[in-house]
Amino acid sequence: DTGVSQNPRHKITKRGQNVTFRCDPISEHNRLYWYRQTLGQGPEFLTYFQNEAQLEKSRLLSDRFSAERPKGSFSTLEIQRTEQGDSAMYLCASSFRGAQYFGPGTRLLVL
Amino acid sequence: GESVGLHLPTLSVQEGDNSIINCAYSNSASDYFIWYKQESGKGPQFIIDIRSNMDKRQGQRVTVLLNKTVKHLSLQIAATQPGDSAVYFCAENRGGNQFYFGTGTSLTVIP
Repeated sequence: DTGVSQNPRHKITKRGQNVTFRCDPISEHNRLYWYRQTLGQGPEFLTYFQNEAQLEKSRLLSDRFSAERPKGSFSTLEIQRTEQGDSAMYLCASSFRGAQYFGPGTRLLVL
Repeated sequence: GESVGLHLPTLSVQEGDNSIINCAYSNSASDYFIWYKQESGKGPQFIIDIRSNMDKRQGQRVTVLLNKTVKHLSLQIAATQPGDSAVYFCAENRGGNQFYFGTGTSLTVIP
């Protein structure tokens, strides 16, 4: 499968715990995006990388959230001290230029 | 059948009929648009895109129309099939790296 992959697909955690998600983009894509999607809503932009540089961050990305793309390939999104409001689908997308292609997402449930 | 995007978030059509899903955007600076299909529990799937220097683009069974004068976008699906049942999002790019998604329209195909 040469598409965008995300792991894990599901994560259940207790409030206050830290979680980390991984995204592997399409191999030739230099741009990588993280989005959050809640039920009944469209995806909301969180952050954007071009190669290893994080070039844009949304106001939605509080200081509890951090994203990295250390070698310009895979990326991780970490949420510290999770809150129930963090429960959502976290989507990763990649592009070379133009259209963004999404992964299957990681569904997070914070209890 | 037709939907008015954000105001009529559900659309039901008979199998074999044509579907029209509408999307209104507000930012006149938006210059690139993508339609995505999202099935339950999956990430958004790219369908078709269009740039603002075009007013129509066709794919396999799908056509996107762009009317920049009234800031309106539509997705036409020919000979709708049960497998087309999903939520459809239009996403707009306003010149930066973010895409802005609408709420989406839920399409149900009645066999």
